[in-house]
Amino acid sequence: SSELTQPPSVSVSPGQTARIACSGDALTKQYAFWYQQKPGQAPLLLIYRDIERPSGLPDRFSGSSSGTTATLAIGAVQAEDEADYYCQSADSGGSGFVVFGGGTKLIVL
Amino acid sequence: QVQLQESGPGLVKPSETLSLTCSVPGGSVIGYHWSWIRQPPGKGLKWLGDIFYTGSTKYEPTLKSRVTISVDLSENQVFLRLGSVTALDTARYFCARGPAHVVVAPAVPHYESWGQGILVTVSS
Repeated sequence: SSELTQPPSVSVSPGQTARIACSGDALTKQYAFWYQQKPGQAPLLLIYRDIERPSGLPDRFSGSSSGTTATLAIGAVQAEDEADYYCQSADSGGSGFVVFGGGTKLIVL
Repeated sequence: QVQLQESGPGLVKPSETLSLTCSVPGGSVIGYHWSWIRQPPGKGLKWLGDIFYTGSTKYEPTLKSRVTISVDLSENQVFLRLGSVTALDTARYFCARGPAHVVVAPAVPHYESWGQGILVTVSS
Protein backbone atom coordinates (compact mmCIF):
# COMPACT_ATOMS: atom_id res chain seq x y z
CA SER A 1 0.00 0.00 0.00
CA SER A 2 1.14 3.53 -0.72
CA GLU A 3 1.82 6.21 1.88
CA LEU A 4 -0.03 8.58 -0.44
CA THR A 5 -3.70 7.86 -1.11
CA GLN A 6 -5.56 8.93 -4.24
CA PRO A 7 -9.06 8.05 -5.46
CA PRO A 8 -8.91 5.43 -8.23
CA SER A 9 -11.00 7.58 -10.56
CA VAL A 10 -12.59 11.00 -10.91
CA SER A 11 -15.25 11.78 -13.50
CA VAL A 12 -15.99 15.24 -14.86
CA SER A 13 -17.90 16.77 -17.76
CA PRO A 14 -16.09 18.88 -20.35
CA GLY A 15 -15.72 22.51 -19.29
CA GLN A 16 -16.02 21.75 -15.59
CA THR A 17 -13.27 21.71 -12.97
CA ALA A 18 -11.79 18.41 -11.84
CA ARG A 19 -10.18 18.08 -8.44
CA ILE A 20 -7.94 15.17 -7.51
CA ALA A 21 -6.93 14.73 -3.88
CA CYS A 22 -3.80 13.12 -2.49
CA SER A 23 -3.64 12.31 1.21
CA GLY A 24 -0.68 11.38 3.39
CA ASP A 25 0.98 12.31 6.66
CA ALA A 26 4.16 13.45 4.93
CA LEU A 27 2.24 16.23 3.19
CA THR A 28 2.11 18.23 6.42
CA LYS A 29 5.87 18.79 6.11
CA GLN A 30 6.86 17.91 2.56
CA TYR A 31 5.92 19.25 -0.84
CA ALA A 32 3.55 17.52 -3.24
CA PHE A 33 4.33 17.09 -6.90
CA TRP A 34 1.86 16.10 -9.62
CA TYR A 35 2.29 14.25 -12.90
CA GLN A 36 0.02 13.48 -15.85
CA GLN A 37 0.50 10.25 -17.77
CA LYS A 38 -1.27 9.41 -20.99
CA PRO A 39 -1.30 5.85 -22.38
CA GLY A 40 2.05 4.78 -23.77
CA GLN A 41 3.77 7.98 -22.63
CA ALA A 42 6.14 8.97 -19.88
CA PRO A 43 4.78 11.02 -16.97
CA LEU A 44 4.72 14.80 -17.39
CA LEU A 45 5.39 17.10 -14.46
CA LEU A 46 2.38 19.38 -13.85
CA ILE A 47 2.97 20.88 -10.40
CA TYR A 48 6.00 21.11 -8.13
CA ARG A 49 6.39 22.40 -4.59
CA ASP A 50 2.62 22.18 -4.03
CA ILE A 51 1.63 25.09 -6.27
CA GLU A 52 4.35 25.85 -8.85
CA ARG A 53 3.78 25.23 -12.56
CA PRO A 54 6.59 24.43 -15.02
CA SER A 55 6.96 27.04 -17.72
CA GLY A 56 4.70 26.46 -20.71
CA LEU A 57 2.06 24.53 -18.80
CA PRO A 58 -1.48 25.91 -19.17
CA ASP A 59 -2.75 27.75 -16.11
CA ARG A 60 -5.80 25.47 -16.16
CA PHE A 61 -3.64 23.22 -13.98
CA SER A 62 -3.18 24.36 -10.39
CA GLY A 63 -2.16 22.85 -7.08
CA SER A 64 -2.88 23.48 -3.44
CA SER A 65 -2.04 21.82 -0.15
CA SER A 66 -3.44 21.94 3.36
CA GLY A 67 -2.64 19.65 6.25
CA THR A 68 -2.40 16.07 5.07
CA THR A 69 -4.08 16.67 1.70
CA ALA A 70 -2.76 18.07 -1.55
CA THR A 71 -5.12 18.79 -4.41
CA LEU A 72 -4.66 19.08 -8.16
CA ALA A 73 -7.31 21.15 -9.91
CA ILE A 74 -7.86 21.09 -13.65
CA GLY A 75 -10.09 23.91 -14.88
CA ALA A 76 -12.17 23.91 -18.06
CA VAL A 77 -11.52 20.20 -18.55
CA GLN A 78 -11.03 19.03 -22.11
CA ALA A 79 -11.22 15.56 -23.63
CA GLU A 80 -7.43 15.60 -23.98
CA ASP A 81 -7.08 15.82 -20.19
CA GLU A 82 -8.29 12.25 -19.83
CA ALA A 83 -5.25 10.53 -18.35
CA ASP A 84 -3.79 9.08 -15.18
CA TYR A 85 -2.61 11.56 -12.57
CA TYR A 86 -0.05 10.77 -9.89
CA CYS A 87 0.98 12.68 -6.81
CA GLN A 88 4.50 12.33 -5.42
CA SER A 89 6.06 13.29 -2.15
CA ALA A 90 8.37 11.88 0.51
CA ASP A 91 8.03 8.99 2.95
CA SER A 92 6.38 9.84 6.25
CA GLY A 93 9.40 8.63 8.19
CA GLY A 94 11.58 11.50 7.02
CA SER A 95 14.18 9.30 5.33
CA GLY A 96 13.96 11.09 2.00
CA PHE A 97 12.49 8.24 -0.01
CA VAL A 98 10.32 9.17 -2.97
CA VAL A 99 6.73 7.96 -2.75
CA PHE A 100 4.05 8.01 -5.43
CA GLY A 101 0.33 7.85 -4.91
CA GLY A 102 -1.55 5.01 -6.52
CA GLY A 103 -2.78 7.21 -9.34
CA THR A 104 -6.17 8.60 -10.35
CA LYS A 105 -7.83 8.00 -13.69
CA LEU A 106 -9.53 11.19 -14.86
CA ILE A 107 -12.57 10.31 -16.94
CA VAL A 108 -13.99 13.04 -19.15
CA LEU A 109 -17.66 12.24 -19.67
CA GLN B 1 14.12 19.82 -22.60
CA VAL B 2 16.86 17.25 -22.16
CA GLN B 3 16.42 13.90 -23.93
CA LEU B 4 16.83 10.73 -21.89
CA GLN B 5 17.15 7.32 -23.50
CA GLU B 6 16.86 4.00 -21.70
CA SER B 7 18.46 0.91 -23.20
CA GLY B 8 19.03 -2.70 -22.29
CA PRO B 9 17.60 -6.19 -22.77
CA GLY B 10 13.83 -6.44 -23.01
CA LEU B 11 13.81 -9.99 -21.67
CA VAL B 12 15.55 -11.25 -18.55
CA LYS B 13 15.40 -14.76 -17.07
CA PRO B 14 14.23 -15.30 -13.50
CA SER B 15 17.01 -15.16 -10.89
CA GLU B 16 19.26 -13.20 -13.24
CA THR B 17 20.28 -9.53 -13.06
CA LEU B 18 18.45 -6.79 -14.96
CA SER B 19 20.86 -4.16 -16.26
CA LEU B 20 19.72 -0.91 -17.89
CA THR B 21 21.46 2.21 -19.12
CA CYS B 22 20.14 5.76 -19.29
CA SER B 23 21.94 7.94 -21.82
CA VAL B 24 21.78 11.71 -22.03
CA PRO B 25 22.71 12.59 -25.61
CA GLY B 26 23.75 16.21 -25.91
CA GLY B 27 23.44 16.74 -22.19
CA SER B 28 25.34 16.09 -19.00
CA VAL B 29 24.69 14.06 -15.89
CA ILE B 30 26.78 16.48 -13.87
CA GLY B 31 24.89 18.61 -11.40
CA TYR B 32 21.68 16.61 -11.23
CA HIS B 33 19.80 13.94 -9.37
CA TRP B 34 18.94 10.84 -11.44
CA SER B 35 16.33 8.24 -10.58
CA TRP B 36 14.93 4.99 -11.84
CA ILE B 37 11.19 4.54 -11.62
CA ARG B 38 9.22 1.54 -12.83
CA GLN B 39 5.64 0.80 -13.76
CA PRO B 40 4.25 -2.74 -14.02
CA PRO B 41 1.74 -3.17 -16.87
CA GLY B 42 -1.54 -1.50 -15.95
CA LYS B 43 -0.27 -0.35 -12.56
CA GLY B 44 1.18 2.72 -10.90
CA LEU B 45 4.63 4.26 -10.55
CA LYS B 46 7.23 2.95 -8.12
CA TRP B 47 10.49 4.72 -7.30
CA LEU B 48 13.49 2.41 -7.20
CA GLY B 49 16.21 4.78 -6.16
CA ASP B 50 18.17 7.94 -6.77
CA ILE B 51 21.76 9.00 -7.37
CA PHE B 52 23.25 12.48 -7.20
CA TYR B 53 26.02 13.00 -9.75
CA THR B 54 28.58 12.90 -6.96
CA GLY B 55 27.69 9.25 -6.44
CA SER B 56 25.51 9.56 -3.35
CA THR B 57 22.66 7.05 -3.57
CA LYS B 58 19.35 6.30 -1.93
CA TYR B 59 17.27 3.19 -2.55
CA GLU B 60 13.68 2.15 -1.98
CA PRO B 61 13.80 0.16 1.28
CA THR B 62 12.05 -2.99 0.09
CA LEU B 63 14.36 -3.27 -2.95
CA LYS B 64 17.57 -2.01 -1.38
CA SER B 65 19.20 -5.43 -1.18
CA ARG B 66 18.78 -5.98 -4.94
CA VAL B 67 19.25 -2.51 -6.48
CA THR B 68 22.39 -0.67 -7.51
CA ILE B 69 22.38 2.70 -9.28
CA SER B 70 25.59 4.18 -10.59
CA VAL B 71 26.74 6.98 -12.89
CA ASP B 72 29.50 7.46 -15.45
CA LEU B 73 30.30 11.17 -15.71
CA SER B 74 32.56 10.80 -18.72
CA GLU B 75 29.99 8.83 -20.73
CA ASN B 76 26.99 10.81 -19.43
CA GLN B 77 25.20 7.64 -18.45
CA VAL B 78 23.25 6.37 -15.47
CA PHE B 79 22.95 2.66 -14.75
CA LEU B 80 20.48 0.39 -13.00
CA ARG B 81 21.18 -3.12 -11.82
CA LEU B 82 18.43 -5.19 -10.22
CA GLY B 83 19.45 -8.64 -9.04
CA SER B 84 17.56 -11.90 -8.49
CA VAL B 85 14.62 -10.82 -10.63
CA THR B 86 11.25 -12.53 -10.64
CA ALA B 87 8.11 -12.09 -12.71
CA LEU B 88 7.09 -9.34 -10.27
CA ASP B 89 9.91 -7.22 -11.67
CA THR B 90 8.27 -7.15 -15.11
CA ALA B 91 7.63 -3.48 -15.78
CA ARG B 92 8.42 -0.46 -17.90
CA TYR B 93 11.52 1.14 -16.42
CA PHE B 94 11.92 4.90 -16.65
CA CYS B 95 14.99 7.03 -16.16
CA ALA B 96 14.19 10.49 -14.80
CA ARG B 97 16.20 13.62 -14.06
CA GLY B 98 15.75 15.49 -10.82
CA PRO B 99 16.75 18.99 -9.80
CA ALA B 100 20.06 20.66 -10.51
CA HIS B 101 20.90 20.97 -6.83
CA VAL B 102 21.41 18.54 -4.01
CA VAL B 103 18.21 17.54 -2.26
CA VAL B 104 18.69 16.64 1.39
CA ALA B 105 16.36 14.36 3.35
CA PRO B 106 13.64 14.58 4.39
CA ALA B 107 13.02 16.47 1.13
CA VAL B 108 12.89 14.51 -2.10
CA PRO B 109 13.58 15.34 -5.75
CA HIS B 110 10.92 15.77 -8.39
CA TYR B 111 11.27 14.95 -12.06
CA GLU B 112 10.94 17.37 -14.98
CA SER B 113 12.57 15.13 -17.57
CA TRP B 114 11.79 11.48 -18.26
CA GLY B 115 12.85 8.93 -20.81
CA GLN B 116 10.21 7.07 -22.77
CA GLY B 117 10.91 3.98 -20.72
CA ILE B 118 11.88 0.46 -21.63
CA LEU B 119 9.68 -2.56 -21.11
CA VAL B 120 11.51 -5.39 -19.39
CA THR B 121 9.86 -8.78 -19.13
CA VAL B 122 11.09 -11.39 -16.70
CA SER B 123 10.41 -14.82 -18.10
CA SER B 124 12.18 -18.06 -18.83
